[in-house]
Amino acid sequence: GNSVTQMEGPVTLSEEAFLTINCTYTATGYPSLFWYVQYPGEGLQLLLKATKADDKGSNKGFEATYRKETTSFHLEKGSVQVSDSAVYFCALSDLGSARQLTFGSGTQLTVLP
Amino acid sequence: DAGVIQSPRHEVTEMGQEVTLRCKPISGHDYLFWYRQTMMRGLELLIYFNNNVPIDDSGMPEDRFSAKMPNASFSTLKIQPSEPRDSAVYFCASGHRSYGYTFGSGTRLTVV
Repeated sequence: GNSVTQMEGPVTLSEEAFLTINCTYTATGYPSLFWYVQYPGEGLQLLLKATKADDKGSNKGFEATYRKETTSFHLEKGSVQVSDSAVYFCALSDLGSARQLTFGSGTQLTVLP
Repeated sequence: DAGVIQSPRHEVTEMGQEVTLRCKPISGHDYLFWYRQTMMRGLELLIYFNNNVPIDDSGMPEDRFSAKMPNASFSTLKIQPSEPRDSAVYFCASGHRSYGYTFGSGTRLTVV
């Protein structure tokens, strides 16, 4: 079956530090990959996506590249801000499995001023 | 676009009572998902619909839970009877093809 494995948190960084949150996946088909962000007390918001191998998704300074050879979709940002503090979820949607969305366990990020 | 609308935002109920959570998906989206989020278990998929038809309800915890989607613009998740272990945040999400899914703000359910 499909699965998503995220790096364990929590992650604590200082403002302007470089961020990497690792994500690897297992899928039987040809998945689309997503990063969602959840701010305290809110629902999940789509941060970025990639629908095929070598695609790079980007939004708000965050980037992730769909690497089929390593089955990875690591999230990166060059300079984090306090406002980036949230929980980040990696997810996949497998086109071969009726589009069910599979989530990783989430990574809590705290950015200190 | 108002996004995915869930109601109520908060619900406090006594054990044994019936609880109904509501969701209005984004117009044109053909997939609708119900998720439950707790600290212990994270995000759990309960059930999802495609074109108003339930496709996979294997995540529904037990017969106390039921979900319906009578039309493309409305879905309900019902718990009867409710138990304290059902306390969680319940999210509804809708989507179209492989372009991502939009989540509602959630319903925080507390069963006392």
